[in-house]
Amino acid sequence: DARVTQTPRDKVTEMGQEVTMRCQPILGHNTVFWYRQTMMQGLELLAYFRNRAPLDDSGMPKDRFSAEMPDATLATLKIQPSEPRDSAVYFCASGPSIGEQYFGPGTRLTVT
Amino acid sequence: ELKVEQNPLFLSMQEGKNYTIYCNYSTTSDRLYWYRQDPGKSLESLFVLLSNGAVKQEGRLMASLDTKARLSTLHITAAVHDLSATYFCAVVGDSNYQLIWGAGTKLIIKP
Repeated sequence: DARVTQTPRDKVTEMGQEVTMRCQPILGHNTVFWYRQTMMQGLELLAYFRNRAPLDDSGMPKDRFSAEMPDATLATLKIQPSEPRDSAVYFCASGPSIGEQYFGPGTRLTVT
Repeated sequence: ELKVEQNPLFLSMQEGKNYTIYCNYSTTSDRLYWYRQDPGKSLESLFVLLSNGAVKQEGRLMASLDTKARLSTLHITAAVHDLSATYFCAVVGDSNYQLIWGAGTKLIIKP
């Protein structure tokens, strides 16, 4: 049963530290998404890749966030430096098309 | 600009009752998706609606799409507690590069 995997599942870090979240999309899926979810803001699309090329990262704070797909089996989301307001659950999703997405379990990030 | 509005945003109902969640969107699209999120969990796909008049059903949930009215509905029949979750709709924009999410409807079903 193919699944999207994310690591780490939980991360607690201090303000100013670099955070890297990793995602392994389902093999064969050509779209990959990063989302952030908080109680206050709900579900926010941060970045979207198709065939490893970034298509939309307008929802991502450019000064501290970066998203990459170094290869088809790995997507990364980095925050440098992290701030307390970055505390959220970060989801990665992959899919065969833009709308049909399979979500990973999420990374719960706490920045103190 | 494509906008997606769900209503209600919060719904508390009794078991056994019927109710409908609405998803309105602001531009032409013939692709709409419904997702479910259980508390503390990830999102999972519920329904994929790809044409005007599409209707999908699974158990006590039925989703439909009216592209002319730019409206999708998620109907709950004889609700049970296990259906308590947050339900999201998402619409693909004309450009095929945009996927816009509704804010989600938090559904609580009381025994």
